[in-house]
Amino acid sequence: GDSVTQMEGPVTLSEEAFLTINCTYTATGYPSLFWYVQYPGEGLQLLLKATKADDKGSNKGFEATYRKETTSFHLEKGSVQVSDSAVYFCALRHTGANSKLTFGKGITLSVRP
Amino acid sequence: GAGVSQSPRYKVAKRGQDVALRCDPISGHVSLFWYQQALGQGPEFLTYFQNEAQLDKSGLPSDRFFAERPEGSVSTLKIQRTQQEDSAVYLCASSTGTDYEQYFGPGTRLTVT
Repeated sequence: GDSVTQMEGPVTLSEEAFLTINCTYTATGYPSLFWYVQYPGEGLQLLLKATKADDKGSNKGFEATYRKETTSFHLEKGSVQVSDSAVYFCALRHTGANSKLTFGKGITLSVRP
Repeated sequence: GAGVSQSPRYKVAKRGQDVALRCDPISGHVSLFWYQQALGQGPEFLTYFQNEAQLDKSGLPSDRFFAERPEGSVSTLKIQRTQQEDSAVYLCASSTGTDYEQYFGPGTRLTVT
């Protein structure tokens, strides 16, 4: 079955540091890939997505590129801010009648001033 | 506009009790999903509705779990004879249709003592 693997956390960075959060997946076919974020005290919200190979999703300075050859969708940001402190989840979804999401375990990011 | 709401936000149940968790999706959203998120894990799919039809219940962990959406709007997830392993956050998400963005509610944190 489908699965998503995220790097182990938590991650602690200083403000303005470069961020990479690794995500790899196992799935048949060509799923869409997502990053969701959960800020403290808030619900899950979509951060960015990519629907086909070599697509790059971007939002709020975050980027991730759909790499089919390495089955990866790593999240990057050039300069993190304290306000980026949150839990980040990588997920995949197949198109079709039941578009359920399959999530990774999530990783907690803390950014120090 | 109003997002997805869930109630109660917190529920403590004694082992063996029945509980009912409510989800109010965004108005007009035909697709509704339930996910279970154990501590330190990513959300896992439980069940999916399109309008009032439950099209996929493959993720329900046992026959103690039951979900309904009788009028195609509000949904209730019921857990009978709760066990400690049912302790988790239960998330509801809705979308305008298959393959569209899922909007998540804040979740109900269930603790079984």
